Amino acid sequence: SSELTQDPAVSVALGQTVRITCQGDSLRSFYASWYQQKPGQAPLLVIYGKNNRPSGIPDRFSGSSSGNTASLTITGAQAEDEADYYCNSRESSDNYLVFGGGTKLTVL
Amino acid sequence: QVQLVQSGAEVKKPGSSVKVSCKASGGTFSSYTISWVRQAPGQGLEWMGRIIPIFGTANYAQKFQGRVTLTADESTSTAYMELSSLRSEDTAVYYCTRLMVYASSNWFDPWGQGTLVTVSS
Repeated sequence: SSELTQDPAVSVALGQTVRITCQGDSLRSFYASWYQQKPGQAPLLVIYGKNNRPSGIPDRFSGSSSGNTASLTITGAQAEDEADYYCNSRESSDNYLVFGGGTKLTVL
Repeated sequence: QVQLVQSGAEVKKPGSSVKVSCKASGGTFSSYTISWVRQAPGQGLEWMGRIIPIFGTANYAQKFQGRVTLTADESTSTAYMELSSLRSEDTAVYYCTRLMVYASSNWFDPWGQGTLVTVSS
């Protein structure tokens, strides 16, 4: 089965730029979607497709992809961006979906 | 705007089953694909399966094959997830979410509020 690999933890200084990555073979064929999850809350979609933001998501969030790696970039990180971030994609078989293990973002 | 509201927390004995509901409002339920995702305490998100209510067809992650059943009732715009032969490792928050698919993209939006299922003797 396909796997998506994320760094367990990343930190960023307030106002700086941070990139959270997600690696997996299926990302050569499918785009990743990204979710923000704060403690005690349900996940929230922040990026989908090539680089699309749902209504209400600040434009400091952006997505990109190259080869087997998808990235979520936060330009000018804010204190409220401190959360867990998960990537998701289809497996190469196209019938199944898979999440990355998640990245805990700390804003210093 | 689509909203998903799930049933309340459950406490179950090992070996029993649990059935969680997810009621949709807004949009056209029969055109949705509903997925279920779970999250064990302190752990990441885990995709369990999906169902297309208009067709009644479901497919499941290999890990849950034979133990999970997804169903949907179009008349009440409600999806259900039943997990059987419960064990302590099934203690988790279970989420329903709408799966959107377009070309090479898929995404989950919105999400239900989550249902905590605790398996304990």
